[in-house]
Parts: sequence; structure tokens; C-alpha cells
Amino acid sequence: EVQLLESGGGLVQPGGSLRLSCAASGFTFSNYAMTWVRQAPGKGLEWVSVMSASGGSTYYADSVKGRFTISRDNSKNTLYLQMNSLRAEDTAVYYCAKAPGGYCSGGSCLNWFDPWGQGILVTVSS
Amino acid sequence: QSALTQPPSASGSPGQSVTISCTGTSSDVGGYNYVSWYQQHPGKAPKLIIYEVTKRPSGVPDRFSGSKSGNTASLTVSGLQAEDEADYFCSSYAGSNNLLFGGGTKLTVL
Repeated sequence: EVQLLESGGGLVQPGGSLRLSCAASGFTFSNYAMTWVRQAPGKGLEWVSVMSASGGSTYYADSVKGRFTISRDNSKNTLYLQMNSLRAEDTAVYYCAKAPGGYCSGGSCLNWFDPWGQGILVTVSS
Repeated sequence: QSALTQPPSASGSPGQSVTISCTGTSSDVGGYNYVSWYQQHPGKAPKLIIYEVTKRPSGVPDRFSGSKSGNTASLTVSGLQAEDEADYFCSSYAGSNNLLFGGGTKLTVL
């Protein structure tokens, strides 16, 4: 069974940093692109970032570009999201999810996501 | 780029059909067949129910179907059941390695 488990969330002050992790199991992690999607409390979904299977391609939403960094360790089956210069509007539940393939050509890694992790809450507040 | 436009709410009685729309532009919904739909129950993670406009993942009931016309994609839920009550989100590739989601539709089974 494919499982994704996020960790590393919590309360952080504005301007602070946090690193999220997503531990994957039940599939060959190194063969699939992975993504982060967030959901502010009571709001809709917002795509954050995606990384190809090899890590050679990374893409970000404009709202986080220059502040967030996606990475992965295929030897540990783990995806990361380093979040710096955090703002109140970054407060959300962050989900990691598995993309349909390994490459990101022509938007293929942004086609659909399945499954998703259970999510982890990040709260940015003083 | 703005989020895709969905009606905030939809409703139907058990056994009825309901259709939820997702409107974008020729740069996203109208330009690609990378439209997906997700179901989210309260406090749970989203679940993929439709991908590439019309395809259903294994295990998703055939009561769920997707379509697209021009810049608008649609999700139809036929034979409504109580467990279909949830939030539904559409998404579409928007070019330049960008992905848009809709604002979500709360489906109520009366």
C-alpha cells in the first residue's frame, strides 16, 4: 500500500523557517515526481511546488518562489520542503502527493496527484 | 494567474444527479487535457476521482464522470449517495509548469 507521511509542521514566527518532510513507502520512490500542495484553514487547495523523480527539475508557485525549496533524498524515500521567510499567509495544512510519472516534460508531473499524505499544519504567527 | 472558478455549493437528493462546473481560460482548462477532480471529506486528505478530464482511477465508482467543453470542465455525480457529501476541487495544468486549482464546491446531499 502506498503511504505518504508528512512531519515537521508547527508554530513559527513571521520571518522564521521550517522544514517539512514526507516519508514515502509502498512504491519505488525514485521513479516518481513528487509535489507539495497546501490548504489554508477553510480555504481551497493551492499548488506549491513539484520535483521530478531524479531531482533535476523543480518548479514553484509564484507565491513561494525564492522563499521555499523543494528537495528529495531517494536513498531515504523522503521529500522535503524548506520554508524560509515565512509569512502569515503561509499558514496552511501542507500535503505531499505522488505524481503520475517521473518526468516533468510538458507539465506531465502536474497532471494529477494520487495518493496524498494526511497533511501537516504549519502556523505562522507571533 | 487566478484560480479556476467553481460554484461554492451544489446539492441534490439521494439518487439524483448533480453537475459541478470548473471554468478557466484557453490557457489552462481549454488548452490542456490535464484536468483532474478531487474529493475531500472534512478533516481528510483530497482523493483523486477523475484525471485527464474523463478517466476514473480504479476503485472510484462509475457514478462519477468528467467532461470538458471549451474552457469549462464538469464533474457529474449520478445516483447521489450520502457518502458523496464532501468538497470537490478541480485542477488544471496552466502551462509554464504551473498548476491551478478551483476554489472548491461543497456538495450537500439533501
